[in-house]
Amino acid sequence: EPEVTQTPSHQVTQMGQEVILRCVPISNHLYFYWYRQILGQKVEFLVSFYNNEISEKSEIFDDQFSVERPDGSNFTLKIRSTKLEDSAMYFCASSEAQGTADTQYFGPGTRLTVL
Amino acid sequence: AQSVSQHNHHVILSEAASLELGCNYSYGGTVNLFWYVQYPGQHLQLLLKYFSGDPLVKGIKGFEAEFIKSKFSFNLRKPSVQWSDTAEYFCAVNAQAGTALIFGKGTTLSVSS
Repeated sequence: EPEVTQTPSHQVTQMGQEVILRCVPISNHLYFYWYRQILGQKVEFLVSFYNNEISEKSEIFDDQFSVERPDGSNFTLKIRSTKLEDSAMYFCASSEAQGTADTQYFGPGTRLTVL
Repeated sequence: AQSVSQHNHHVILSEAASLELGCNYSYGGTVNLFWYVQYPGQHLQLLLKYFSGDPLVKGIKGFEAEFIKSKFSFNLRKPSVQWSDTAEYFCAVNAQAGTALIFGKGTTLSVSS
């Protein structure tokens, strides 16, 4: 069964450094998403991406964040200058987005630790 | 704005006990409803979903959920839990395909054998 994959599984970085989190969505899916889960808190939506542009973003997704689909398979989340509070589990998801309802399938996540 | 409330933060049950996890959402229009499960060390997996039609939906591993529109609820049930059901359970909603999922805070289920 097709799965969403994410790399790396764990990323440790120093405050102020740039990080890029990578995701390979399910191949025939058209919508891609990033969510995050700070330890002990709920899963929060960051951004969705469709047809090579951002379709929706949350208040969390400020100028420090950017997303890109650099080729036909990868979908990346870049944090330009990491802060301590960016430490979280970051989940990528994808969906077919056909019709009025669809299912988002999640990857295993990347645990980002900012020191 | 949409919001999702899960009433139980941590539920502890013995094997074979029945389970009901509450989920209420706040949204005025048509919604799509989901329950996801996260087993220890694993990623979010879809347990079941409701889009339209029969308000009683069945998912994997013997779980079911009932959509009650008048109560804005989508409670998860299982008649007899197993030790392997120990996990975190998340209720989520969105308004239409391709839009943000709004998650509840999650319920941790611990099942003792």
